[in-house]
Amino acid sequence: SSELTQDPAVSVALGQTVRITCQGDSLRSYYASWYQQKPGQAPVLVIYGKNNRPSGIPDRFSGSSSGNTASLTITGAQAEDEADYYCNSRDSSGNRGYVFGTGTKVTVL
Amino acid sequence: QVQLVQSGAEVKKPGASVKVSCKASGYTFTSYGISWVRQAPGQGLEWMGWISAYNGNTNYAQKLQGRVTMTTDTSTSTAYMELRSLRSDDTAVYYCARIHYGDLDYWGQGTLVTVSS
Repeated sequence: SSELTQDPAVSVALGQTVRITCQGDSLRSYYASWYQQKPGQAPVLVIYGKNNRPSGIPDRFSGSSSGNTASLTITGAQAEDEADYYCNSRDSSGNRGYVFGTGTKVTVL
Repeated sequence: QVQLVQSGAEVKKPGASVKVSCKASGYTFTSYGISWVRQAPGQGLEWMGWISAYNGNTNYAQKLQGRVTMTTDTSTSTAYMELRSLRSDDTAVYYCARIHYGDLDYWGQGTLVTVSS
């Protein structure tokens, strides 16, 4: 199966902007979706498709993609955005499966 | 409102099997697929596979092929995930999630499966 690689951890000052990246060959062909997970809770979908937010997700979350890299940007990070973030996309190996990224811990200072 | 409610925590011995249920409500069950994702303690998310609630077609992660079976019962809007020949590294929280055009838009609360002798 293909792999999606993320930086293990990033930090951002309150109110500033942070970009989380996800790299993998499958991203040349498929969009990534992004999930936020807080301790002890189930993941929550925050971005899907080209740059779509489910109902209830603040517009400070946005997504983009270029080549083999997908990005999630939080513009004006809030304390409640501190969480683990995972990208997810199709497996490019041809078995119609999916794969998650390695995850990024976002700390809001 | 869409809800996925999973069965309770399980403790199993190595070599045993576990079957986790995921009861859906608030939407037409057969119009969406269900994916299963697990998370070992302190680790990341691992995609396990998915099942179409419409026709029962499945797709499993290669590393779990032969040990996992996903099924649905459309009469009760419930999805099931059975994992056999359990090992200690199968200890994890298991999640079900609804698939919407490939994205997991609603998740269950998770079921902790502990494998220990």
